[in-house]
Amino acid sequence: KAGVTQTPRYLIKTRGQQVTLSCSPISGHRSVSWYQQTPGQGLQFLFEYFSETQRNKGNFPGRFSGRQFSNSRSEMNVSTLELGDSALYLCASSLVPQTINTEAFFGQGTRLTVV
Amino acid sequence: GIQVEQSPPDLILQEGANSTLRCNFSDSVNNLQWFHQNPWGQLINLFYIPSGTKQNGRLSATTVATERYSLLYISSSQTTDSGVYFCAAAKGVDSNYQLIWGAGTKLIIKP
Repeated sequence: KAGVTQTPRYLIKTRGQQVTLSCSPISGHRSVSWYQQTPGQGLQFLFEYFSETQRNKGNFPGRFSGRQFSNSRSEMNVSTLELGDSALYLCASSLVPQTINTEAFFGQGTRLTVV
Repeated sequence: GIQVEQSPPDLILQEGANSTLRCNFSDSVNNLQWFHQNPWGQLINLFYIPSGTKQNGRLSATTVATERYSLLYISSSQTTDSGVYFCAAAKGVDSNYQLIWGAGTKLIIKP
C-alpha cells in the first residue's frame, strides 16, 4: 500500500508570505503528526491531528496552524513566513493516536526555503 | 523537560566496520525509539526499545532504562547504512504524549 505522501517536496517562499503543506497518511491511518526539522533545533513536534481534531500541540507560535479533513489528509499552514521557518517539515501517520507503543510512519518531507 | 543527547555527532567508517551509537536521556521515559533518516530525508523506524535488547539483521539495540541510556549497534556496515540516526524518548500519555528527539548521529560509510 502507498506510504505517507507529502506535497510539495520543495518550496521556495518570500518572507511575509504564507504557505500550505499537505500530508496524505497511509490508507486507514487516522492520526497525522507534523514535525519541523532544522539543523540548529533538530526535530520538533508541531501538532497532532486525530479524527479531524487537534489532539496535541508543541511549542510553536500561532502562525503555525493545521487541520485535518474527513479523509484523514492533513494540511499545515504557516502565515507571515520568517527566514527561520526554513526547514524540512515532516509528517507522520499512525493508525491510532500517538502513544508510547504506536508505530508512526514518516513521509519524505517538504523542504521549505524562505528567502 | 527531558533532555536527549546522542554521541558521537559524526562518524565516518569504512564499509564492513562495526559501530556503536549512544543515546543518553535525562529522565525516566515510557519508551525509547531509534530512527534512521536516509540522505533523501525519509525517516524509518528501527526499534521500539524501552528496555532490554532487540535485534534486526545487522542492527541491534540495547536500552538500560535504570541507567538512562540506549545503544544502537551496526555490524558489517554497508554504504546504504549512511544517514542520520536519531533516538527519541517517549514521555507522557494521551494528549500529554511527547517524543523528545536527540540531535542525531551522522554516519557516513565509505566504500
